Amino acid sequence: KQEVTQIPAALSVPEGENLVLNCSFTDSAIYNLQWFRQDPGKGLTSLLLIQSSQREQTSGRLNASLDKSSGRSTLYIAASQPGDSATYLCAVNSGGSNYKLTFGKGTLLTVNP
Amino acid sequence: EAQVTQNPRYLITVTGKKLTVTCSQNMNHEYMSWYRQDPGLGLRQIYYSMNVEVTDKGDVPEGYKVSRKEKRNFPLILESPSPNQTSLYFCASSRARYGTYEQYFGPGTRLTVT
Repeated sequence: KQEVTQIPAALSVPEGENLVLNCSFTDSAIYNLQWFRQDPGKGLTSLLLIQSSQREQTSGRLNASLDKSSGRSTLYIAASQPGDSATYLCAVNSGGSNYKLTFGKGTLLTVNP
Repeated sequence: EAQVTQNPRYLITVTGKKLTVTCSQNMNHEYMSWYRQDPGLGLRQIYYSMNVEVTDKGDVPEGYKVSRKEKRNFPLILESPSPNQTSLYFCASSRARYGTYEQYFGPGTRLTVT
């Protein structure tokens, strides 16, 4: 059974810092991995999708890496801003018959002005 | 604009009163799915559908029903809601080909059952 862990559970940084969020998964047989952002009480916004054959993806100030063999992914946020404050969720798609995403519990990021 | 929509966004109801949460996508996606999100438990899959008239149970299907009569719509039905179904519900969709496509989520429906 796939399990996804995100560390740390919460992170508080001053504006302008570069930061890294971590995600680990137990079963390396994955199709892809998605990073999402969730604002309080709101929906999930997809940030980046990394296919199992890829090592990294970039979008603006965000860079996500994937090391499938070690079961790890990182989300790097450059020059953080207060608007980046949200919960970041990592989700793994292990394929199978249901395309189910297995989610981590998230990292609550607070960027202080 | 490509999107997944859910209605209602907020719902307060009483135990046993049947309700339906609608989900619609305008991206011609084959795959649709429902999740619930609870504090400390994260997001868990309730039901999914690979195409019209093809549905199956996820991890937590008890107390829920779904139907997929049209490609764009995937309603979630609670025939006799109970307080333990109080949760934040999300609908998702994607193309269905080896599960390699990005999944798009709706804005969520916050359900309270008293």
